[in-house]
Amino acid sequence: GAGVSQSPSNKVTEKGKDVELRCDPISGHTALYWYRQSLGQGLEFLIYFQGNSAPDKSGLPSDRFSAERTGGSVSTLTIQRTQQEDSAVYLCASSLVILAGETYEQYFGPGTRLTVT
Amino acid sequence: AQSVTQLGSHVSVSEGALVLLRCNYSSSVPPYLFWYVQYPNQGLQLLLKYTSAATLVKGINGFEAEFKKSETSFHLTKPSAHMSDAAEYFCAVSDRASGTYKYIFGTGTRLKVLA
Repeated sequence: GAGVSQSPSNKVTEKGKDVELRCDPISGHTALYWYRQSLGQGLEFLIYFQGNSAPDKSGLPSDRFSAERTGGSVSTLTIQRTQQEDSAVYLCASSLVILAGETYEQYFGPGTRLTVT
Repeated sequence: AQSVTQLGSHVSVSEGALVLLRCNYSSSVPPYLFWYVQYPNQGLQLLLKYTSAATLVKGINGFEAEFKKSETSFHLTKPSAHMSDAAEYFCAVSDRASGTYKYIFGTGTRLKVLA
């Protein structure tokens, strides 16, 4: 079946502009995660959505970052007033519903490479 | 708090030689541990996972890992390296304590396979 898809695959933007990154999770996966992969910081968690629960935004680096998940499926990560330090690969992952005592592996998309000039 | 340490940011092995990539974890609860591989310009692909069943876990592409609670380790091994194994490998622990099960990743190990 189809895996996690992300768009665009590459995005070049000028400093100060806003960008939107899209993630389509695997159908039926209710948990969705965003991570950022950068040279200086490695792989870091940004935000987590699970069903209709309030998202865990504890990893967002600043208030310029926000994300939403519409209809429990597609998610959009928005970065406002981009800065050069936002340049990174943004990875989306999804997994099956989280049950107490169970864990399901996360399936990752190919990522969006963001370059802020 | 949970954390993962991967010793050796770069590892080189000869084709056919043993591959050993090290991962140590810290966790206040029984951990769920994962190894992922990332090929250039691609996302992360799951190699194997440990979720408190058998301590020796077999994964794809001939990789396996052994969970050792006494050593807080989850090292990844493969008996014989192949050129196609050249990639970056990430060890991760699932954050069970927060209930989000988000991954906390190690810094990664880039494996180079020499002909």
